[in-house]
Amino acid sequence: EIVLTQSPATLSLSPGERATLSCRASQSVSSYLAWYQQKPGQAPRLLIYDASNRATGIPARFSGSGSGTDFTLTISSLEPEDFAVYYCQQRSKWPPETFGQGTKLEIK
Amino acid sequence: QVQLQESGPGLVKPSQTLSLTCTVSGGSITSGTYYWSWIRQPAGKGLEWIGRIYSSGSTNYNPSLKSRVTISVDTSRNQFSLTVRSATAADTAMYYCARGSMVAPYYYGMDVWGQGTTVTVSS
Repeated sequence: EIVLTQSPATLSLSPGERATLSCRASQSVSSYLAWYQQKPGQAPRLLIYDASNRATGIPARFSGSGSGTDFTLTISSLEPEDFAVYYCQQRSKWPPETFGQGTKLEIK
Repeated sequence: QVQLQESGPGLVKPSQTLSLTCTVSGGSITSGTYYWSWIRQPAGKGLEWIGRIYSSGSTNYNPSLKSRVTISVDTSRNQFSLTVRSATAADTAMYYCARGSMVAPYYYGMDVWGQGTTVTVSS
């Protein structure tokens, strides 16, 4: 099973700042990685697919990069609605598909 | 646009069977290159992939749950379902259904999710 490790567990930033979230895989997942945003009481929402492609309707301030074992989600300038929990997920070697444990982005 | 809606009992007794259905609206469950997944999330915790099914009926399961889980599809009703046998308190969670797509060499992610349904396993 591929283990995805996200860091940091919690990130405290202010609106307008740049956020950098990391996801590291225990073995290569090529580019078969997605990022999701989850707000309290809501289902996850797809942000990034295939490591670096924004999903439909996702603002340009969200970007993804990386391949193999190291991936990054960057939010260029935080808006108030961006404070949430973010998960990475791989679909390279399955079963099972796996998720990271999540990074909570909180307002400083 | 395509929408997903989970339904099923919110309370299940230990050792009994947990059964949920996901209804697909706004599109056909057989169209495109999609597959249909179940994911769960215990309160305050992360996401766990349970398994997926293609409209052909082909399935893949999480090995940790495979002996107790069945996912099936009813194309005539545009629905797919989850069954978890011998439920325990550890199966208490929010259960989500979702649509995914992968056309090698690209993975398009799970782009449509249901709102989720809470299942509690308790006597």
